[in-house]
Amino acid sequence: AQTVTQSQPEMSVQEAETVTLSCTYDTSESDYYLFWYKQPPSRQMILVIRQEAYKQQNATENRFSVNFQKAAKSFSLKISDSQLGDAAMYFCAYRSAYGGSQGNLIFGKGTKLSVKP
Amino acid sequence: DTEVTQTPKHLVMGMTNKKSLKCEQHMGHRAMYWYKQKAKKPPELMFVYSYEKLSINESVPSRFSPECPNSSLLNLHLHALQPEDSALYLCASSREGLAGGEQYFGPGTRLTVT
Repeated sequence: AQTVTQSQPEMSVQEAETVTLSCTYDTSESDYYLFWYKQPPSRQMILVIRQEAYKQQNATENRFSVNFQKAAKSFSLKISDSQLGDAAMYFCAYRSAYGGSQGNLIFGKGTKLSVKP
Repeated sequence: DTEVTQTPKHLVMGMTNKKSLKCEQHMGHRAMYWYKQKAKKPPELMFVYSYEKLSINESVPSRFSPECPNSSLLNLHLHALQPEDSALYLCASSREGLAGGEQYFGPGTRLTVT
């Protein structure tokens, strides 16, 4: 069974600085998707970034980028120029590219990010 | 447009009440999901509908009853709930059935059972 581990329950960053959130996963599959979701205190879960396992290039969305290391099964999120609005719970998630129950999202336990002004 | 809407935003119900949660998406997605989320925890999958058919039921108690009237709508009927069922209930949808693709989440319904 696949697992997702976020080893940092809480992180803090100064406004305008850079922070990296860690995520590791375990799978025997070769084709899958990885996601970072953000859930601010207002609660709506928002997709931040997506990575397809067969793509070697790291995904980037504006100030958010990932470092995808397939062999090491690592998928970290880097937030550059942190803003107050980045404060949220961040969930790393895995999804198999195959169907059935394997296609369910598997979440890590989350990392709570605080941004200091 | 990547919007999933949910109503109501908040719901307080007694253990003998019957209520329903509603979810709607107009993105043409063919899979819809119900999740339960406790504070400071990741969402837990409850049900999955794929092409309007219930395809996954994660051993959820029968006091929760899902319904998918059409490809855009998803309901969760609640009856005889327990206080431990108090949680945030999230709806999500995705483009392609169960295989691949990201899920888009609604804002959730905050349920309190008294």
